[in-house]
Amino acid sequence: QQQVKQSPQSLIVQKGGISIINCAYENTAFDYFPWYQQFPGKGPALLIAIRPDVSEKKEGRFTISFNKSAKQFSLHIMDSQPGDSATYFCAASMGDNYGQNFVFGPGTRLSVLP
Amino acid sequence: GAGVSQSPSNKVTEKGKDVELRCDPISGHTALYWYRQSLGQGLEFLIYFQGNSAPDKSGLPSDRFSAERTGGSVSTLTIQRTQQEDSAVYLCASSPRTSGIGSEQFFGPGTRLTVL
Repeated sequence: QQQVKQSPQSLIVQKGGISIINCAYENTAFDYFPWYQQFPGKGPALLIAIRPDVSEKKEGRFTISFNKSAKQFSLHIMDSQPGDSATYFCAASMGDNYGQNFVFGPGTRLSVLP
Repeated sequence: GAGVSQSPSNKVTEKGKDVELRCDPISGHTALYWYRQSLGQGLEFLIYFQGNSAPDKSGLPSDRFSAERTGGSVSTLTIQRTQQEDSAVYLCASSPRTSGIGSEQFFGPGTRLTVL
């Protein structure tokens, strides 16, 4: 119930292409879905987040698509750049957002080829 | 305006020794989290502090692990009798609130622990 599944585990995209990372959850009590970006040697940093009352959120080249009925959400990176090469984590949290109620997916390592 | 800081950035220790890892959260943040990240793996929740409430220790992998948060600010994660499987990056995060948008976790750079 507390798991967030994420795929693919790794992704290689050519510069200018679209990167798509998918996540799925089971617990319908989750109400906040952030994506974190982590560069080597750094801690994760919030990239973009969405609440379940909207189906899509776009910030620059990054878009979250949210399908509440399917309990799935995805990150789309348009016009992918080599600087986007990083590990991406989806996450989900609920109400009081504490401890075990803030759950991260296992991560996707993205490599964008120049 | 500093972010979350952690020290040391790297720690090499011998099996069986105790280690202490420090986290300085962003000033005013009430929530503080510790995670463990093994090489190429996701984030494993360890412990959570929220204000003056009792910490959520449900993620600690064994009784060799403990953490405290003094004065609602600085936190120390202690690992006693370290084992080789404890080798990982230990990440600390803080958050200004505990629910919904705005409860974003701000991560420190981590401490890379190597147990020989």
